[in-house]
Amino acid sequence: AQSVTQLDSQVPVFEEAPVELRCNYSSSVSVYLFWYVQYPNQGLQLLLKYLSGSTLVKGINGFEAEFNKSQTSFHLRKPSVHISDTAEYFCAVSYSGGYQKVTFGIGTKLQVIP
Amino acid sequence: EAGVTQFPSHSVIEKGQTVTLRCDPISGHDNLYWYRRVMGKEIKFLLHFVKESKQDESGMPNNRFLAERTGGTYSTLKVQPAELEDSGVYFCASSQVSSGSSEQFFGPGTRLTVL
Repeated sequence: AQSVTQLDSQVPVFEEAPVELRCNYSSSVSVYLFWYVQYPNQGLQLLLKYLSGSTLVKGINGFEAEFNKSQTSFHLRKPSVHISDTAEYFCAVSYSGGYQKVTFGIGTKLQVIP
Repeated sequence: EAGVTQFPSHSVIEKGQTVTLRCDPISGHDNLYWYRRVMGKEIKFLLHFVKESKQDESGMPNNRFLAERTGGTYSTLKVQPAELEDSGVYFCASSQVSSGSSEQFFGPGTRLTVL
């Protein structure tokens, strides 16, 4: 079984400042890793995913994440946030050996302060 | 191309009543998933359809929940009778293939409140 821990439930950050949203996972098998974003009144949208290869993954809207196998982490970063980045962000994993049941973290609310 | 749509967007019902949620996946997506997020907790998997067949329903909470996908197109999730703990946001997602690497496309969710 897999589990995902997002350590920060809320992260306030000033506009144009950098941000890191933390994600750690636990799994006894190989997994794929995802970050989803939910803007107000919208569905979840895929930001980026790690399947294999380079551990630094670039996604939409200037976000990137780094897979660290030894620390079982997949932290999300952005060097300069905008007001429009205010949303809830979900880290997720799925089993790489079979079909696609996704396990989500509890979510981190990013609040960008003007 | 239309995304995943869900109806209704909100539903408020009393304990003991019945509610039916609907999900229309992206056209051509054989895989359809239901998830639920109870307030303050993780989004949790409920079940997975491949076309009209239930591939995995291990996340369904109990037998008060019934999911169907007749004809392999839209899906419904019925809760009968509803209990207070069923309140939450129900998300539907769809994907073309069911491998762990493929992207799931999510709908906006249905917010269910049971009073």
